[in-house]
Formats: sequence, structure tokens, C-alpha cells
Amino acid sequence: RKEVEQDPGPFNVPEGATVAFNCTYSNSASQSFFWYRQDCRKEPKLLMSVYSSGNEDGRFTAQLNRASQYISLLIRDSKLSDSATYLCVVNSQNTGNQFYFGTGTSLTVIP
Amino acid sequence: DAMVIQNPRYQVTQFGKPVTLSCSQTLNHNVMYWYQQKSSQAPKLLFHYYDKDFNNEADTPDNFQSRRPNTSFCFLDIRSPGLGDAAMYLCATSRVFGGGYNEQFFGPGTRLTVL
Repeated sequence: RKEVEQDPGPFNVPEGATVAFNCTYSNSASQSFFWYRQDCRKEPKLLMSVYSSGNEDGRFTAQLNRASQYISLLIRDSKLSDSATYLCVVNSQNTGNQFYFGTGTSLTVIP
Repeated sequence: DAMVIQNPRYQVTQFGKPVTLSCSQTLNHNVMYWYQQKSSQAPKLLFHYYDKDFNNEADTPDNFQSRRPNTSFCFLDIRSPGLGDAAMYLCATSRVFGGGYNEQFFGPGTRLTVL
């Protein structure tokens, strides 16, 4: 079983739509959770850290459900510039200093 | 600005010709990572350094080696590149503090082409 699993998509949504991505992780001892954004042929860049209580940054909301080992990212009022691949990343201290990546979810926002 | 720098950004090499990719950081992070990323795939961890301690992934080919001469620099050596080694190579750093981790910061990557 993979450490982190994501629906690869692709998600094609119109401008202004709300879209949600989900991610599950297998290690119940995982401690740190992140969403990264990666544009084509560029490096991943941190979009949000995910906190236990959930957190929001403008149009973006991240949620963590430890009981279900599930992370989500909600994007409201999608913009063309949101088109990218979104990577779910999990860090588990009991497996050393590794960060485990999902395969990424591709989003295209259509005019 | 503090950052992760990779050189070169693009590297073309011939089949079997050794190549070295470099990474430097001004973040003073104690952990440095090398990832290989192929098209439409997640980054794949090759190895990482926690300070001077080297950690090799079990499935990283012997063809890939790494050096970290000091906190700021880390090198990836590919001794005999094959066509299958053509990929984006990403360097990343993170800081371990107490019992927690900060997020990873990535360099812009080196895109390797093998002819």
C-alpha cells in the first residue's frame, strides 16, 4: 500500500467553480501534512501546511481528519491561475526525515 | 532572500558520461534531499542527509551517489547516466526542530537530458 494516495484527476472545472481534492495516508503516526502546488516543469511550492484544526488561506481551505487518515483541500472561486498539479505530502517522524508524496492531482481551470 | 539554488538548470550529457548536479542553500537547514521526478509522476526520493548522516533509499541505484561537504552544499553524482535517468532532479531542504519538521523548500530543479 502506498504511503500517500491521491485521485490523479484530471479535474477540469470552469472559472469560479469550487473544487475539492482528497488524500489519504497509511501511517497513523504521521505528524505533519502539507499541500504543495507544482506548475508544469517547475518545482513544487508550498501552498499550505495542514493543521489539526483545519486552516484557511483566502480561497483555499485545508482539513485534516486523523481518525480517517484523510486530508482535503478545497479551492473556492477557481481562477485560471489555479491550474496546476496539487501534491499531498505527509511527514512521519517515526520513519526518519522523509516526506511522502502523493502522485498529485491535476487541475485545469477553464475560461 | 534565503533560498535553495540548483546548478545547472539544464544539463545535457551523453550515455555513460558522468555528470554532477549541485545544490546550495542559504536557509541553514540541517536536512537536504535529492529527488528524481519524471513526467506526470511524484518526486521520488533518492537520498537525504540529516546533518552529515547520509540516508540512502533502498531502491536508489548504485549509479547515484551524493556528497555533502558542508551544511550549505550537496551534490548528486550520476556515474554512468542511462537513458532512463533523464528526469528533473530536485533538491530540497527542511529544518528539524524539537520533535517537529518544517516544510520542505525546493530548488528550481535541474533537467537532465541523456543522449
